Amino acid sequence: GENVEQHPSTLSVQEGDSAVIKCTYSDSASNYFPWYKQELGKGPQLIIDIRSNVGEKKDQRIAVTLNKTAKHFSLHITETQPEDSAVYFCAAITNSGYSTLTFGKGTMLLVSP
Amino acid sequence: NAGVMQNPRHLVRRRGQEARLRCSPMKGHSHVYWYRQLPEEGLKFMVYLQKENIIDESGMPKERFSAEFPKEGPSILRIQQVVRGDSAAYFCASSPATTANEKLFFGSGTQLSVL
Repeated sequence: GENVEQHPSTLSVQEGDSAVIKCTYSDSASNYFPWYKQELGKGPQLIIDIRSNVGEKKDQRIAVTLNKTAKHFSLHITETQPEDSAVYFCAAITNSGYSTLTFGKGTMLLVSP
Repeated sequence: NAGVMQNPRHLVRRRGQEARLRCSPMKGHSHVYWYRQLPEEGLKFMVYLQKENIIDESGMPKERFSAEFPKEGPSILRIQQVVRGDSAAYFCASSPATTANEKLFFGSGTQLSVL
């Protein structure tokens, strides 16, 4: 099955800096890669996703890049704000049949004012 | 439109008791997923259900755990004879049929503590 590795496990940045979280996946057939943000005491929320036919996607201060050859994808957050502090999860799925999302172990992002 | 509703938020059980976790998907969503979260271990898939059908239960332990999503009412994750190792946060997610397995909407979770 799919295996998703996520780094780093914790990331501390100053407000206004950029943050980058990286994930690798094992199944070359995976074709959908979402990112979820989990705030304390809440469930994960989808913040951005990318499909395998696209190399980059941007939504305001967040962007995701995908390198299919190397089987890795990254989340980029620019101009970080304290409210960006949360745990971020990457995931991958081979969208054929009834496969399900495989999540990375998460990155705790702390943005200091 | 209410989100995914899970209850209870917190559940305390003694070893050997049964735990029942409930999940009401978003309106119009016919697919339900259960995930378990342990500290520093991320989200582990347990089971994927559609109404009255278990689609994939490959992540659920064969013994003591069961799940259902009846025609009427919420999805239930049942853990019989709980042990301390079952202590975790259990998240339910739902999706519409059109984006099944992709854009999941998560509830706020049930924190199960086994004494």
